[in-house]
Amino acid sequence: GAVVSQHPSWVICKSGTSVKIECRSLDFQATTMFWYRQFPKQSLMLMATSNEGSKATYEQGVEKDKFLINHASLTLSTLTVTSAHPEDSSFYICSATRTRANQETQYFGPGTRLLVL
Amino acid sequence: AQKITQTQPGMFVQEKEAVTLDCTYDTSDPSYGLFWYKQPSSGEMIFLIYQGSYDQQNATEGRYSLNFQKARKSANLVISASQLGDSAMYFCAMIALGGADGLTFGKGTHLIIQP
Repeated sequence: GAVVSQHPSWVICKSGTSVKIECRSLDFQATTMFWYRQFPKQSLMLMATSNEGSKATYEQGVEKDKFLINHASLTLSTLTVTSAHPEDSSFYICSATRTRANQETQYFGPGTRLLVL
Repeated sequence: AQKITQTQPGMFVQEKEAVTLDCTYDTSDPSYGLFWYKQPSSGEMIFLIYQGSYDQQNATEGRYSLNFQKARKSANLVISASQLGDSAMYFCAMIALGGADGLTFGKGTHLIIQP
């Protein structure tokens, strides 16, 4: 399968600081990447769609000024949680779409656990 | 709008038995894809199997097969000869094809394989 990496794996930060999470597709190019959030014992919820070379599109209820997304290249998307607060503590996971033989499959990164104190 | 329903919050299955994880979906999109992902305790999402809405045959990948019944809008995952390493959360998900949307996930099923 395709390889998607995320960095860092774990982040513990103080309330009010900003945290940047990187998502990279290692062996394929992805014009579209997605950011999801998963709270404990819950399913993944789509936060935003990251489009290479253009603005991200956000799901309803997700603050675009708080969750800044930059998709600067075909292999890298970044999510910055600005002025993080304890309620932002969650598991953030990205995915990248690879198209093969008319099949679009989303491959996920290993996720980033964010704990805001 | 899309909706995925997984009605089994948890399942206990004896090792080596086959297990079926239920998934039903609802969508107005004429063309869509259905996925199953496995999430072990480490948190990573592992792609298992894919079924396109226009695929005539049910998808199979090793011990995984997808029982796709389009008229009933169901896409159950069948794991044959279960192993202890299969213990994990399993998520059914779907996407409208041709668009640029992310996946819509079900709430998941926690599968525990007992020796």
